[in-house]
Amino acid sequence: AQTVTQSQPEMSVQEAETVTLSCTYDTSESDYYLFWYKQPPSRQMILVIRQEAYKQQNATENRFSVNFQKAAKSFSLKISDSQLGDAAMYFCAYNEGPENTGNQFYFGTGTSLTVIP
Amino acid sequence: KAGVTQTPRYLIKTRGQQVTLSCSPISGHRSVSWYQQTPGQGLQFLFEYFSETQRNKGNFPGRFSGRQFSNSRSEMNVSTLELGDSALYLCASSRGRDFYEQYFGPGTRLTVT
Repeated sequence: AQTVTQSQPEMSVQEAETVTLSCTYDTSESDYYLFWYKQPPSRQMILVIRQEAYKQQNATENRFSVNFQKAAKSFSLKISDSQLGDAAMYFCAYNEGPENTGNQFYFGTGTSLTVIP
Repeated sequence: KAGVTQTPRYLIKTRGQQVTLSCSPISGHRSVSWYQQTPGQGLQFLFEYFSETQRNKGNFPGRFSGRQFSNSRSEMNVSTLELGDSALYLCASSRGRDFYEQYFGPGTRLTVT
């Protein structure tokens, strides 16, 4: 099975500042997909951003961007201009695609982000 | 468009009992996945159903089973409950073709005493 590692159980950031969450993964595949999900306290998990491994360009979604380093198997999430609403548990996830494993996602253990006013 | 719904939201059961959880996907979504979330193990994949067929299964004992109906609604069943089955059970749906657009439900919090 593939493994996804998030080495930072907790992180904090000052409001309006930038924070980077780390994620590494292990795979022997060349084509796969990576995701960051956000789970606010007592709320539903939502997709923040996704990256296709065959794309060299890093994905961006408004204040959220990733640094995808395929050779290093690293996939970090940068949150710019942090807002109080960004406080949540963030999960990194990996999927090989519907042709291989359907919708089987492998998740990291999560990073709890606190935003300090 | 209504989101993914899960029922019940909270459940307390006793060891040895069985439990059935329900998930209604977003209208038009044909794929439903189930996950177990615990503080120690994080999110672990249970299984995925697509068009009433189990397409993939995680590494869980046979006590965990599921099914999907023709309207894409899905149920998962846990028999002979153990204390370690206490967890948040999440359901996620997607169209199936654009698999990565996975939408999660609020979860069912199961407590086994």
